[in-house]
Amino acid sequence: AQTVTQSQPEMSVQEAETVTLSCTYDTSESDYYLFWYKQPPSRQMILVIRQEAYKQQNATENRFSVNFQKAAKSFSLKISDSQLGDAAMYFCAYRSARLGDMRFGAGTRLTVKP
Amino acid sequence: EAGVAQSPRYKIIEKRQSVAFWCNPISGHATLYWYQQILGQGPKLLIQFQNNGVVDDSQLPKDRFSAERLKGVDSTLKIQPAKLEDSAVYLCASSWAGGGTEAFFGQGTRLTVV
Repeated sequence: AQTVTQSQPEMSVQEAETVTLSCTYDTSESDYYLFWYKQPPSRQMILVIRQEAYKQQNATENRFSVNFQKAAKSFSLKISDSQLGDAAMYFCAYRSARLGDMRFGAGTRLTVKP
Repeated sequence: EAGVAQSPRYKIIEKRQSVAFWCNPISGHATLYWYQQILGQGPKLLIQFQNNGVVDDSQLPKDRFSAERLKGVDSTLKIQPAKLEDSAVYLCASSWAGGGTEAFFGQGTRLTVV
């Protein structure tokens, strides 16, 4: 089964600064999708950004961008101009294109300091 | 569009009792997931349905957990009998059948087993 690893249990960033959250995954599949989800204390999981494995171009959504390195099986999230509202748990997720199952990493707790 | 609905939001039971959780996915979503999220950890996939068929239940403790999705719409997850280690948030998510689409999550049910 595919595994997703987030090696940073906690990260901290100053407001308006940039922070990068790391994620690696293990798979033998060639067709898959990667996601970053945000989970605030309310528990509602919210999609931040998505990346298709067949696309070489890194996805960008406003202040959020990814660095997708397919050969290295690495998928990091960069948050620019961090805001207090960005404070949350961030989960990296892998979804198989064939079966559609979605697996999550252990998460990174992001703190934003004013 | 209406989101994924889950009930109840909270449940406290004694060990060895039984409990059931209900999920109503977004209309038209063929794929439905149940996750277990223990405090401080990432969501763990328990079972994945495609319409009313099971795609993956490899991590479902089948001696005590059961799930069904009648008519390919609503789903229930049952635990019988509950153990202390079942204390967690149970998340339901749904998505379109395609692997590239995001999963939409409900707010979860927090289960406490005492």
